[in-house]
Amino acid sequence: LAKTTQPISMDSYEGQEVNITCSHNNIATNDYITWYQQFPSQGPRFIIQGYKTKVTNEVASLFIPADRKSSTLSLPRVSLSDTAVYYCLALQTGANNLFFGTGTRLTIIP
Amino acid sequence: ETGVTQTPRHLVMGMTNKKSLKCEQHLGHNAMYWYKQSAKKPLELMFVYNFKEQTENNSVPSRFSPECPNSSHLFLHLHTLQPEDSALYLCASSQMGREGPREQYFGPGTRLTVT
Repeated sequence: LAKTTQPISMDSYEGQEVNITCSHNNIATNDYITWYQQFPSQGPRFIIQGYKTKVTNEVASLFIPADRKSSTLSLPRVSLSDTAVYYCLALQTGANNLFFGTGTRLTIIP
Repeated sequence: ETGVTQTPRHLVMGMTNKKSLKCEQHLGHNAMYWYKQSAKKPLELMFVYNFKEQTENNSVPSRFSPECPNSSHLFLHLHTLQPEDSALYLCASSQMGREGPREQYFGPGTRLTVT
């Protein structure tokens, strides 16, 4: 599994756009970048997944540059309910053993 | 009921007790997983089942015994646990395929306290 590196914590104010960057210098050709969100005492929840360029869904966008050595999760207009831990994973095709790491603890300030 | 369910949600047990955690998925997936999450630590993968066959056991002590009778149900049998086994135990399921990684769907977890 490709190892990923993320900031341990981030703070942001309500209504702002939040960008969380993940580094994955040793990403393999068949790795997908996958992000999960976890609230306290709950299981992680899948947010978004991508291979390259940009992916957007109803909750977030994922930007992956051409060299794929990093990626950025973008959360538009965050609210207090977005306070959670966000995990970046590099997931191989067909793999089922996820390594979550320590994630980024995002705190939204009123 | 939809998604992944786990029972019980909370469990307190002594070190000499035997208990079981139950997980059920209603998503038609063919793979199921047990994870352990201790306080302020990353999730640790414990067991993986693909089509009811155990494919991974990440050096988990034998006091944890998984059982997967079918692709919708997964159990974790517990016996003679230690206080350091207190944690949030999470079950997940996914659809295994060759075409690309499949996201996992997690249950709410069982908060286990060993006294």
